[in-house]
Amino acid sequence: DTEVTQTPKHLVMGMTNKKSLKCEQHMGHRAMYWYKQKAKKPPELMFVYSYEKLSINESVPSRFSPECPNSSLLNLHLHALQPEDSALYLCASSQEGTSGTNTGELFFGEGSRLTVL
Amino acid sequence: QKEVEQNSGPLSVPEGAIASLNCTYSDRGSQSFFWYRQYSGKSPELIMSIYSNGDKEDGRFTAQLNKASQYVSLLIRDSQPSDSATYLCAVLNRDDKIIFGKGTRLHILP
Repeated sequence: DTEVTQTPKHLVMGMTNKKSLKCEQHMGHRAMYWYKQKAKKPPELMFVYSYEKLSINESVPSRFSPECPNSSLLNLHLHALQPEDSALYLCASSQEGTSGTNTGELFFGEGSRLTVL
Repeated sequence: QKEVEQNSGPLSVPEGAIASLNCTYSDRGSQSFFWYRQYSGKSPELIMSIYSNGDKEDGRFTAQLNKASQYVSLLIRDSQPSDSATYLCAVLNRDDKIIFGKGTRLHILP
């Protein structure tokens, strides 16, 4: 059983819809991530939150809007997406080490498979 | 030059043999290195992390790191059909970003 839970597992949306992906972890980790993965490609980093603050945004289009309400929760709000945004969206968490150093060991949820029509 | 490079494979290895997976990285400031296994349709799962030069063993898995050559490898001993998966090399670079290689598809032949 994964300790990082993502909902929904599958999502189909139109280009004018607004939807959200949700992620929750109960491992006490202080860093949380969104990655995007297309078929037969590696995960691509989108956003990193560290101690509930956005620390990395990999120049992601504004139609993707992350939110970290608390240290256990991470959302990804979706609006006006394009068909090429269809992918597996992976949430991950990692434990921050001492002095804010990142261990880098990612624990992934099962992902949310998004289809944009 | 891509940040993390792997041969995409497929790499076919007979059951019981040693599978050897390789990875190179471009950022000399990288300090942390990881191997993830990803089964088809599933999310990546961390199997090894290595932070200093040399070998690190965990069961049938051995990770090897050579920072001077900017090279990381993963050896899987006594390969089993259940080891058939895509193996992703990942690097924590100096910008605190965890970057993945394209992955190597491994097939263990029964």
